[in-house]
Amino acid sequence: AQSVTQLDSQVPVFEEAPVELRCNYSSSVSVYLFWYVQYPNQGLQLLLKYLSGSTLVKGINGFEAEFNKSQTSFHLRKPSVHISDTAEYFCAVSSDSGAGSYQLTFGKGTKLSVIP
Amino acid sequence: DARVTQTPRHKVTEMGQEVTMRCQPILGHNTVFWYRQTMMQGLELLAYFRNRAPLDDSGMPKDRFSAEMPDATLATLKIQPSEPRDSAVYFCASGLAIAGGRNEQFFGPGTRLTVL
Repeated sequence: AQSVTQLDSQVPVFEEAPVELRCNYSSSVSVYLFWYVQYPNQGLQLLLKYLSGSTLVKGINGFEAEFNKSQTSFHLRKPSVHISDTAEYFCAVSSDSGAGSYQLTFGKGTKLSVIP
Repeated sequence: DARVTQTPRHKVTEMGQEVTMRCQPILGHNTVFWYRQTMMQGLELLAYFRNRAPLDDSGMPKDRFSAEMPDATLATLKIQPSEPRDSAVYFCASGLAIAGGRNEQFFGPGTRLTVL
């Protein structure tokens, strides 16, 4: 079984300040990690993903995340946020079940509020 | 620009009525997922299909919910009879399962269901 913990349900931050959204996971097998963003009244869209290789992953809109296997973490960062980054962010994990099917297990989400 | 479409976008109904939500996955995708999102529970996986066959519907209340894929371009989620506790946003997502969990899921805009 796998699980995802997003430690902060809400994160307020001033415009142009840096932000880090935390995500920890647990899994007994190799994992693939994702960050999705949900803008108000919209579906989820992919920000970035870690599949293998470099532990630092860059995504859209200036976001990046670092996979840390020893700490089982996949924190999302942005050096300078904009008002338009106000949204809910979801960390998710999946693993190859070996049967060719897959599921995503989502965290509860972190609401990022950017303050002008 | 390929995207997942869902209809209706909003549905208000009375308790006891049947509700049918429809999803058109991205052409060529072989995996379809149904999720429910509420403030209390976050994102919950209800069911998913691969190549139109149901692989897992353990997240779905079997007595009132049913999910089907009549063909590769249509997935349906039905609630009969509906109850106020079913009020939520229901998302459909599709993906291409080639190498297990390495592939992202593409989300539709959701159906916001209100049961009075």
